[in-house]
Amino acid sequence: DTGVSQDPRHKITKRGQNVTFRCDPISEHNRLYWYRQTLGQGPEFLTYFQNEAQLEKSRLLSDRFSAERPKGSFSTLEIQRTEQGDSAMYLCASSLVQGTNSPLHFGNGTRLTVT
Amino acid sequence: GDSVTQMEGPVTLSEEAFLTINCTYTATGYPSLFWYVQYPGEGLQLLLKATKADDKGSNKGFEATYRKETTSFHLEKGSVQVSDSAVYFCALTNTGNQFYFGTGTSLTVIP
Repeated sequence: DTGVSQDPRHKITKRGQNVTFRCDPISEHNRLYWYRQTLGQGPEFLTYFQNEAQLEKSRLLSDRFSAERPKGSFSTLEIQRTEQGDSAMYLCASSLVQGTNSPLHFGNGTRLTVT
Repeated sequence: GDSVTQMEGPVTLSEEAFLTINCTYTATGYPSLFWYVQYPGEGLQLLLKATKADDKGSNKGFEATYRKETTSFHLEKGSVQVSDSAVYFCALTNTGNQFYFGTGTSLTVIP
């Protein structure tokens, strides 16, 4: 168990550019989540996958955001035409769903700064 | 909808002091409740959980009891250490699909 891995750890980009983040979940986990965290706040739900199916998306996830999990393993989160308001920590988490009390296991996040 | 409310921080304690961080929740049904801890520059780590009323979760000297009558899940530790300095998040899930987090409580322990 190597834990949830996210890449890159930090990303600085200019407004209007596209960025893509990658998340590798714990290998046997079937659920993968993306959260956004801003300074002084708790994580806010963006979307989640069960295997390769994207089952739910938050209204926070505008049409500039897209997430994929093509083979039910790693996932990518792309933000197109970045805005300064996109600056945040993007957290990935995974879980092995067994009932309703399976906890989330988080990666260390990707910190995005849009200048 | 479901939500979690945490006591506002920051909290500053001397080493070996007693810690309480309050958490109350609003949810239908019988949610599962969690405490997560976040160290600087890192993601959230599961600290403890409780899945039904009157359950007590515990880990690393931290405890929290699921109180349905007061809709609370307060985090306690009898004697804090400098290494406990971090941000603590209370969270719940009702369906196992969506998780709701509080805004976090920052704890600083001074020697």
